[in-house]
Amino acid sequence: SSELTQDPAVSVALGQTVRITCQGDSLRSYYASWYQQKPGQAPVLVIYGKNNRPSGIPDRFSGSSSGNTASLTITGAQAEDEADYYCNSRDSSGNSWVFGGGTKLTVL
Amino acid sequence: QLQLQESGPGLVKPSETLSLTCTVSGGSISSSSYYWGWIRQPPGKGLEWIGSIYYSGSTYYNPSLKSRVTISVDTSKNQFSLKLSSVTAADTAVYYCASLHSPDFWTNWFDPWGQGTLVTVSS
Repeated sequence: SSELTQDPAVSVALGQTVRITCQGDSLRSYYASWYQQKPGQAPVLVIYGKNNRPSGIPDRFSGSSSGNTASLTITGAQAEDEADYYCNSRDSSGNSWVFGGGTKLTVL
Repeated sequence: QLQLQESGPGLVKPSETLSLTCTVSGGSISSSSYYWGWIRQPPGKGLEWIGSIYYSGSTYYNPSLKSRVTISVDTSKNQFSLKLSSVTAADTAVYYCASLHSPDFWTNWFDPWGQGTLVTVSS
């Protein structure tokens, strides 16, 4: 399968923990990367590999994986974390890359 | 620090070819450390990977777009380019270029991204 499936929308209370998931057969073989996109801006990488954060990404962002599901966890969500989040990996063929449909995170 | 910048026409007529260029600064496009990629986002919709190229010229295309897409590298200008033929209104999108890291086959990520450029297909 070349698809990655994400919940369209998730909400979290300010300061609480939220998990955003990404499901797909290719995730059994390949690590997901995660991107944050705010309105009118280009996506920004927040997690890659097993659980790596680029410089400048707060440590409240973390990643994990189990079976065909990759997860992005925000521990202590802040108002500025409200954004769209996309996962990405190679597809099952290994010769293409695919994005999930995106999850809109609302911080209440 | 790598920086990428897209350039090209913002308006393309239906049935014509969309052509965009991504200029890379702060690093060499000939580096074996990176692939280079194009991603697009229709207004109000999600991200779609279009294709990627390695400095050697090896290309990888989205199967759904493969018949219409060509990605190439110009090492002399430190640029890579996208051509999408026979465009329709469905190709209207913000087009992003990005550096694709792949230190091993199982680990890949796009970073950084260009700011994106809106291309509208309309007569």
